[in-house]
Amino acid sequence: DVKVTQSSRYLVKRTGEKVFLECVQDMDHENMFWYRQDPGLGLRLIYFSYDVKMKEKGDIPEGYSVSREKKERFSLILESASTNQTSMYLCASSLGGGPRTEAFFGQGTRLTVV
Amino acid sequence: AQSVSQHNHHVILSEAASLELGCNYSYGGTVNLFWYVQYPGQHLQLLLKYFSGDPLVKGIKGFEAEFIKSKFSFNLRKPSVQWSDTAEYFCAVTMNTGFQKLVFGTGTRLLVSP
Repeated sequence: DVKVTQSSRYLVKRTGEKVFLECVQDMDHENMFWYRQDPGLGLRLIYFSYDVKMKEKGDIPEGYSVSREKKERFSLILESASTNQTSMYLCASSLGGGPRTEAFFGQGTRLTVV
Repeated sequence: AQSVSQHNHHVILSEAASLELGCNYSYGGTVNLFWYVQYPGQHLQLLLKYFSGDPLVKGIKGFEAEFIKSKFSFNLRKPSVQWSDTAEYFCAVTMNTGFQKLVFGTGTRLLVSP
């Protein structure tokens, strides 16, 4: 089974802190994604990566950055956390090869910024 | 920009009732369509998908969906729901050009009462 593991299930951080969310996948997938999930808004794409050291902005990249130094690991960085970044963050991965491949999701990290 | 609409935000059904969840997308080109499900406390997982061919597709756990191109719709159905179907359901789409970027709807929260 594909496994996408997010390092924390719950995090509480203070406003202004730099926050790192880590994601690791074990199936040698080329593509990795970060989404945030908010009630009534569904999942919105923050950033994605289709190869090591490659990154592309999604629909809501403001206030976030990412890092992909190794194929299996994709990190989301909140440069200076704010209360409006309180949310559930979901990491996903998929095989390369086009728009028909299934995405596999992690359990999510519920981040609260106080 | 491409978008996906799910008009039912909350649905409450009794066991054995029939289910239909609506999904409409806005994109004139060829699309790939997905339904994902998130059971309480679990990660998002694929329920079914449609790429081409027979517009009626069957997925896991007795779910099916019908693609109607003229209506830009991909509605999810199940003839008889069970308490264990209580979950949040997300419709998603990728375009057939370029990179796989999953665009999600806002989700429908289904509660099945025993």
